[in-house]
This record gives sequence, C-alpha cells and structure tokens, in this order.
Amino acid sequence: DIVMTQSPDSLVVSLGETATINCKSSRTILYNSNNKNYLAWYQQKPGQPPKLLIYWASTRESGVPDRFSGSGSGTDFTLTISSLQAEDVAVYFCQQYYSRPLSFGGGTKVEV
Amino acid sequence: QVQLQQWGAGLLKASETLSLNCAVYGGSFSGYDWNWIRQPPGKGLEWIGEINDSGRTDYNTSLRSRLTISVDSSKNQFSLNLRSVTAADTAIYYCARGVIVGSTNPYLDYWGQGNLVTVSS
Repeated sequence: DIVMTQSPDSLVVSLGETATINCKSSRTILYNSNNKNYLAWYQQKPGQPPKLLIYWASTRESGVPDRFSGSGSGTDFTLTISSLQAEDVAVYFCQQYYSRPLSFGGGTKVEV
Repeated sequence: QVQLQQWGAGLLKASETLSLNCAVYGGSFSGYDWNWIRQPPGKGLEWIGEINDSGRTDYNTSLRSRLTISVDSSKNQFSLNLRSVTAADTAIYYCARGVIVGSTNPYLDYWGQGNLVTVSS
C-alpha cells in the first residue's frame, strides 16, 4: 500500500501571505506511460465533506480560485495557497490514486 | 448539478451491522466509480471501498471480511454494509463519486454530506 505523509501538521499564516503544504508518497505515483502524477488535493472545512481542489497534481477543479496551485512529481508534492483569504482556513488532504487502496495524507490544518 | 444524498442509522451497538445508502442526483450514474470513505472524529480519511454501475467492487483489505457494497443502478443508488461493528468503526461515513477518465483509479469530485455513525459497547 502507498503511504501518504503530509507536513506540517498545522501552520499559521497571515492574511494575504502564502501557505505551503507538502505531501510525500512512499513510492512514485507518476505513471511513465502518460507522464501523469496520480495525486489530488482536497479542502475540508469544519462540519463539511472534503472538496476537490486539484487533480493530476496540478489541474485545478472547475471553480477553484487560481490562488490554489499544485506542483511536484514522483514522490514529492506541494499545495500552495497564495494571498491567503479568511475563507481558506481549513484542513487540507492529499490523496493518491495511482493504486488501490486509495490513500490519503493525514491532513494539514491552516489557520490565520 | 450533481448531488449525493446519504442516509442510515447513526447509533449502533457492538456486533451490529452498519448500513448506509447513497442516492445520486444529476449527472450520469454510469462511467464513474462510487466510493465510501470514513473519517474518525478529528482524524484523517480512510478509503473503505467502491463499486461501479455494473457491480464490480473493490474493497480495502482491512475491512474486506466484514464489508459489502452493492448498487441499484435503476435507482442511481449504492449502499454500504459493514458487519460486526466495534467502537473502532465509529466515524463520519461519506459517499463520493470517483472520476476514472484517463485513469483506472479515481479521484473524488463530489461527496455526500456525511453520516456520523457511533458504535457503543
């Protein structure tokens, strides 16, 4: 099974500043045949289900603000939230879909 | 607009069977995988398993011996049954749609609202 490890567990960011969240997989989640990384990012606010932000490591879901961006390849990935807004306070999870069972990182709590 | 609406019993005793249902409104039911995920209070997410509209299933090995996921494509619904529950099964359970375009494994683009299931001993 692929283990996903996120860091940090939590971070405090000032409004308008940049938040950087890291996600590492225990083995590569890059398929060489199509050069795609099988990684998604989700945002979860209190009392709500997770919301898909990014898939294929860097493709924003429709309607997601462009201050959210994903990068990385192979085993190391980053979610960057530029110009943090108050509504971005949430827990963020990464998820690999390279192989079954699907697996998630432990989450990173972003506070202001 | 795709919506997933889920329902089921929220309080169980140890050894009982957890049963949840998820109905899909809007969008196509075929061509996607339909997933169950759970989240113990204050903790991370665990994938439980999935089913497609043809009834093909895939389960997390840690739960396979107690788990059945079924589908009723005529109603655009799918269901979760987890037998012999213990306190360790206490969690918020979510249903979610899995996108498999360009992939054999899904990312999850629409989620149900979640059901808190509490197992008492």
